[in-house]
Amino acid sequence: ETGVTQTPRHLVMGMTNKKSLKCEQHLGHNAMYWYKQSAKKPLELMFVYNFKEQTENNSVPSRFSPECPNSSHLFLHLHTLQPEDSALYLCASSQFQRKETQYFGPGTRLLVL
Amino acid sequence: AQKVTQAQTEISVVEKEDVTLDCVYETRDTTYFLFWYKQPPSGELVFLIRRNSFDEQNEISGRYSWNFQKSTSSFNFTITASQVVDSAVYFCALTGDYKLSFGAGTTVTVRA
Repeated sequence: ETGVTQTPRHLVMGMTNKKSLKCEQHLGHNAMYWYKQSAKKPLELMFVYNFKEQTENNSVPSRFSPECPNSSHLFLHLHTLQPEDSALYLCASSQFQRKETQYFGPGTRLLVL
Repeated sequence: AQKVTQAQTEISVVEKEDVTLDCVYETRDTTYFLFWYKQPPSGELVFLIRRNSFDEQNEISGRYSWNFQKSTSSFNFTITASQVVDSAVYFCALTGDYKLSFGAGTTVTVRA
């Protein structure tokens, strides 16, 4: 595997379900990011991890819970989501957090029913 | 605060036409980086180019070229002799201290 991978690529879940999105980077980077991309809206930065430590949480609702066990893996745990949470969730990584090129995964298309 | 503006929402061209995408940015940082990303229908954001604020030299890579003008805070992107595979959403982005700010994106449709 190369670059940034994300699983699953597509996910349909009910509002009462609990699911997790997984991201893995094979680039030796130290910073990882979660973004949300909704239709007709700009990319929204959700969380930033730098050397496994969360350095940014952009007022994301608690029904989204990130986890970064090491610099190569990032998870987004989902529970009791709302239909408006349906979106493309993109993971990215960069060498360091500052002024570095971010490389993105293919995204997970999430549909909340 | 930093901001990226892509005034063009959608551009539609016929194959082999040239396409220029506009990007204007605002930042108070003296050192910053500018980027272009491509997002095909599959969804993945593909990195195309990064430019340092100190390097105003324009760049050409195959059919792609970039025009960075600090005086007008613009970083425009041209696709020469467009192809159907160029159809995608193109995002301009800016990073100052650490946050990457994206423009709203320009949807390019290339018709055969």
